Amino acid sequence: RKEVEQDPGPFNVPEGATVAFNCTYSNSASQSFFWYRQDCRKEPKLLMSVYSSGNEDGRFTAQLNRASQYISLLIRDSKLSDSATYLCVVPFYNQGGKLIFGQGTELSVKP
Amino acid sequence: EPEVTQTPSHQVTQMGQEVILRCVPISNHLYFYWYRQILGQKVEFLVSFYNNEISEKSEIFDDQFSVERPDGSNFTLKIRSTKLEDSAMYFCASSETSGGTYEQYFGPGTRLTVT
Repeated sequence: RKEVEQDPGPFNVPEGATVAFNCTYSNSASQSFFWYRQDCRKEPKLLMSVYSSGNEDGRFTAQLNRASQYISLLIRDSKLSDSATYLCVVPFYNQGGKLIFGQGTELSVKP
Repeated sequence: EPEVTQTPSHQVTQMGQEVILRCVPISNHLYFYWYRQILGQKVEFLVSFYNNEISEKSEIFDDQFSVERPDGSNFTLKIRSTKLEDSAMYFCASSETSGGTYEQYFGPGTRLTVT
């Protein structure tokens, strides 16, 4: 299994739709995870952190299933401004704090 | 809001030349990182740096690469003899700590083009 694996997409959805992204990770010792957002040719920016079973922030919900080593990100009521690439990220605190990124899932929200 | 800055935004160099990419991390941060992203590929970890020494490096970070914190504010990545495959976006990041609920803040990146 790859260290971090995501559906590459692209996901093309209409405004107002609900969309979900999946991510699997290989390091069973990982305790926390991140979803970053990356706009075209820009730097990654933190969207959400996930430490326990899940986290919710407005229209965004992240869930964690440690037994399956699976993380998801749900976006409700999609906006045009949600169009971006969503990166699943696993930190390795015992390895200098490095972040391991998935290849990203591209989302395009259409009017 | 404090932010990580990087210069230059775009660097074009010829194969075999040395380049230095510069970063100014957020002032109270103690941990510094370099990542790269080849066009169309995922973000890849290069190196982490704490207390004036490398704490972790990836297989990509070979003898051609070095990092330095020459003063209290700058953090640099040097590539001694660039290759075509070094063409990528290079992101600097910094964080307060390396554990717990820390966030790594990324700079806007330097696009390196090797011709």
